[in-house]
Amino acid sequence: RKEVEQDPGPFNVPEGATVAFNCTYSNSASQSFFWYRQDCRKEPKLLMSVYSSGNEDGRFTAQLNRASQYISLLIRDSKLSDSATYLCVVTHNYGQNFVFGPGTRLSVLP
Amino acid sequence: NAGVTQTPKFQVLKTGQSMTLQCAQDMNHNSMYWYRQDPGMGLRLIYYSASEGTTDKGEVPNGYNVSRLNKREFSLRLESAAPSQTSVYFCASRSSGRAHEQFFGPGTRLTVL
Repeated sequence: RKEVEQDPGPFNVPEGATVAFNCTYSNSASQSFFWYRQDCRKEPKLLMSVYSSGNEDGRFTAQLNRASQYISLLIRDSKLSDSATYLCVVTHNYGQNFVFGPGTRLSVLP
Repeated sequence: NAGVTQTPKFQVLKTGQSMTLQCAQDMNHNSMYWYRQDPGMGLRLIYYSASEGTTDKGEVPNGYNVSRLNKREFSLRLESAAPSQTSVYFCASRSSGRAHEQFFGPGTRLTVL
């Protein structure tokens, strides 16, 4: 079993839709949590950090449930430019070890 | 600031050849990382360096060596390339502290024939 697992996808949604991604992690000692975005043939880039209280950045909302070891990302009012692969990331060892999930691909269709 | 830079962008090797992938960052970060990314496998850590002068193995270190030349530079060497090392290689860096994210270079696409 992988340490970080994500919805396999791909998700194909129309513009304006709301889409949610789920991620689970197995290491209860995980300390920090992130969502990264990776465009085709490009490097991963930070989308947002995930805090215990949940956090929002514009159309994006991230939630963390430490008891269930579960992270989610909600995208509202999807844009064509949101098409990408979304990577769930957990860290441990005081942030030195980053463990990436396999990613979920999103295609937003016109 | 250039951020994290990697060279070369593309490389084709024959089995058994050697090469070094170069990575440099100008953000004064202490930690640097090398990953490989294969379809369906996600990013897997090869080696990392928590600070200048230290290196540690990650999840898939076999067939690779690294050198943390100074605070800015972290190189990855393939001594005898194998087709299984065909992949996209990413270098990353981050500053110290638990909550700080990683910044990635643009990647090197390596094919081993």
